[in-house]
Amino acid sequence: AQKITQTQPGMFVQEKEAVTLDCTYDTSDQSYGLFWYKQPSSGEMIFLIYQGSYDEQNATEGRYSLNFQKARKSANLVISASQLGDSAMYFCAMREGGTSYGKLTFGQGTILTVHP
Amino acid sequence: NAGVMQNPRHLVRRRGQEARLRCSPMKGHSHVYWYRQLPEEGLKFMVYLQKENIIDESGMPKERFSAEFPKEGPSILRIQQVVRGDSAAYFCASSPGAGQFNSPLHFGNGTRLTVT
Repeated sequence: AQKITQTQPGMFVQEKEAVTLDCTYDTSDQSYGLFWYKQPSSGEMIFLIYQGSYDEQNATEGRYSLNFQKARKSANLVISASQLGDSAMYFCAMREGGTSYGKLTFGQGTILTVHP
Repeated sequence: NAGVMQNPRHLVRRRGQEARLRCSPMKGHSHVYWYRQLPEEGLKFMVYLQKENIIDESGMPKERFSAEFPKEGPSILRIQQVVRGDSAAYFCASSPGAGQFNSPLHFGNGTRLTVT
């Protein structure tokens, strides 16, 4: 079974609008962490935002927020006021608490295209 | 504070040759992870190392691939007798330690390996 599922291969959004990128996860651990990374066409991996399984509030970092629904096992990334520079591949990733080390498991990614 | 340094950025090898990919973690980080990314796909975990120890190599192909993180010097991912299917982007990431659960992995810019 996939640990991290991103069902949207590609998304399009108009500049200045908000967009939601979906992520669902599968784990039996009570302690886990969810991460979002951005990968622009230049290829580097840029950390955006983190949500812990015990965090009661949704994480926010500037224009990024995470819509965390624990019962549904979803951790959707919301980008507000989209900019052309937001066009990139976005990856959701999970760190499970049962492991004794910090590896992340990644989803397949969603390509976001922002139109002017 | 220098980030994770990977070199070379691009590497071209003929089938049957050896490829050596280097990774210097961020200053103060003692944990290194290697990931592989095929075109249009997510990152797949390969191996996790601490200084002089391989902790988890569950994602590493059984043959031709090896990794090390010596006491001195960078971590090395070595691919012997490369085949066309090894063509991919290889990313190294580091973290300060496994105990910091909410700590993101910091990625290098990757090495793009092309096998001709």
